[in-house]
Amino acid sequence: EDQVTQSPEALRLQEGESSSLNCSYTVSGLRGLFWYRQDPGKGPEFLFTLYSAGEEKEKERLKATLTKKESFLHITAPKPEDSATYLCAVQRVNAGNNRKLIWGLGTSLAVNP
Amino acid sequence: GAVVSQHPSWVICKSGTSVKIECRSLDFQATTMFWYRQFPKQSLMLMATSNEGSKATYEQGVEKDKFLINHASLTLSTLTVTSAHPEDSSFYICSARRDVGNEQFFGPGTRLTVL
Repeated sequence: EDQVTQSPEALRLQEGESSSLNCSYTVSGLRGLFWYRQDPGKGPEFLFTLYSAGEEKEKERLKATLTKKESFLHITAPKPEDSATYLCAVQRVNAGNNRKLIWGLGTSLAVNP
Repeated sequence: GAVVSQHPSWVICKSGTSVKIECRSLDFQATTMFWYRQFPKQSLMLMATSNEGSKATYEQGVEKDKFLINHASLTLSTLTVTSAHPEDSSFYICSARRDVGNEQFFGPGTRLTVL
């Protein structure tokens, strides 16, 4: 069965303390892996799409990487404004025309000043 | 670019009434849109996939007659919660997948409270 597991569930960091969030997946053929950020009471904001093992993408303090079994979201020198829930989702190769996503439960990140 | 709007942002209604939520892609065309429901401190739960000009595809356990979806144009999908009850109170979020590309872009969400 297709599954996406994110860890840790919650993470508290001091400002400037770098860390990584993990997204492990089990899917019958990966078409793409997506990272989103969600602030409380708002819709998710798209961050990255990764398609193949070894691929990396960066945006400001965030870098996403992908292997055949998992993805990491590295946060370098985080700031309080990086506090949010980070969601990971995967899309199967044979997902049909709708190409729906399979979602993880998210990692809630809190960055203290 | 890739902006999705939702209206209303919040709504309070009486039990038994119907509520319509609009989802618009403002600067791109979206043949496919998705409707999600999210409970507090939980992840997104896909309710249905909306395709322009055709019937929506509902996920298992989602009542088609209760959650009516219409996708009449390439930039607009609507979700109508019919005969709403308190258990329908939730945060409803739509997303639109750009026709060029694979990413879903989300609206800001609609908080529905049924009294």
